Amino acid sequence: NFMLTQPHSVSESPGKTVTISCTRSRGSIANNYVQWYQQRPGSPPTIVIYEDNQRPSGVPDRFSGSIDSSSNSASLTISGLKTEDEADYYCQSYDSSNVVFGGGTKLTVL
Amino acid sequence: QVRLQQWGAGLLKPSETLSLTCGVYGGSISGFYWSWVRQPPDKGLEWIGEINHSGDTGYNPSLRSRVTISVDTSNNQFLLSLTSVTAADTALYYCVRVVTVSKKFDYWGQGTQVTVSS
Repeated sequence: NFMLTQPHSVSESPGKTVTISCTRSRGSIANNYVQWYQQRPGSPPTIVIYEDNQRPSGVPDRFSGSIDSSSNSASLTISGLKTEDEADYYCQSYDSSNVVFGGGTKLTVL
Repeated sequence: QVRLQQWGAGLLKPSETLSLTCGVYGGSISGFYWSWVRQPPDKGLEWIGEINHSGDTGYNPSLRSRVTISVDTSNNQFLLSLTSVTAADTALYYCVRVVTVSKKFDYWGQGTQVTVSS
């Protein structure tokens, strides 16, 4: 089994850019797609990035995803931060027999 | 538009069996995997397991001994059974559609709160 490690929390001001990391403990980050989900209080998660860097329709282009093989990690970058971006964010990936979610990152926009 | 509607008992005693059902509306159960994910209070997401229309399953190793996921293709539903529950199984349980190749969790049910208490 592997783990996905995210920072517990990040904070930034409106209009700025924030990056949330997701580090895979075992196995190459590049071998399996990474997804990112946004979860607001009281609601199910919604997908904001899939297949490492693809944006679903309806998700603003302020959201972008990438992977870095050298650090075995994925990143979610949100530019032009808005107060409505304040939420919990989870990365997710898999291997041949398991699906794993990161522990989640609480984004505060203040 | 695909919609997932889930239901089941919300209050259980320790050692009882958790049973939840998820109905799939607006789309076929074929061609995708269907997962259960849970979220304990104020904690993160945990994958429980998955199934496809043929009955092929995959389970979280930490729960495998207690979990069974089944599919009812005639009613476009899939079901979760978790035996011998304890307080640690108290969580919000979601059913989710999963795109097979990328393991993208794209459609989520509304969630069912399950509380285990004596």
